[in-house]
Amino acid sequence: GQNIDQPTEMTATEGAIVQINCTYQTSGFNGLFWYQQHAGEAPTFLSYNVLDGLEEKGRFSSFLSRSKGYSYLLLKELQMKDSASYLCAVEGHGGATNKLIFGTGTLLAVQP
Amino acid sequence: DVKVTQSSRYLVKRTGEKVFLECVQDMDHENMFWYRQDPGLGLRLIYFSYDVKMKEKGDIPEGYSVSREKKERFSLILESASTNQTSMYLCASSYDRGEQYFGPGTRLTVT
Repeated sequence: GQNIDQPTEMTATEGAIVQINCTYQTSGFNGLFWYQQHAGEAPTFLSYNVLDGLEEKGRFSSFLSRSKGYSYLLLKELQMKDSASYLCAVEGHGGATNKLIFGTGTLLAVQP
Repeated sequence: DVKVTQSSRYLVKRTGEKVFLECVQDMDHENMFWYRQDPGLGLRLIYFSYDVKMKEKGDIPEGYSVSREKKERFSLILESASTNQTSMYLCASSYDRGEQYFGPGTRLTVT
């Protein structure tokens, strides 16, 4: 079967660092995406990992371990505007297109 | 910037009605997708298309059909709307195997 697990909710303090974990079991793996979704808005792309290791992009970093079926999104210097849902999505094998399997998302609340 | 637009932000329909949701993208993307998003269930793929007139079923195609007559336009059709199709519907497009760009979503209520 295909399964992607993320914590449902997390709370963190403005200025702090938070790590959102994602574990996956899928029939194939071509890469892993992280998206951010503010309430009532469309998901927007944050990061893409296809090889093991850390990808850094400003305040956001994403890590992948393919052997462990594990990824995390690291948010540094948290700001109030980072309050949103964070979606982990795995691109599976096969086909001419990048069909994604999404986790249910992690709702992050940043408190003053 | 890539722009994906959807025909309505909010829609209210009655049980049994035929419903059309339209999606248009302006970046010549080959791939287009329709998802629904429900609390606790996340984004689930209904149908996708990788070329004009080509379509493939996603994970939950029952009760839906799609049409892609032009590259930029991908329509989702609910042949006979039911209350369990009340949901947020999101369209997305992508080029080759790149990131997917999402539209603003249509919140559909079926009464």
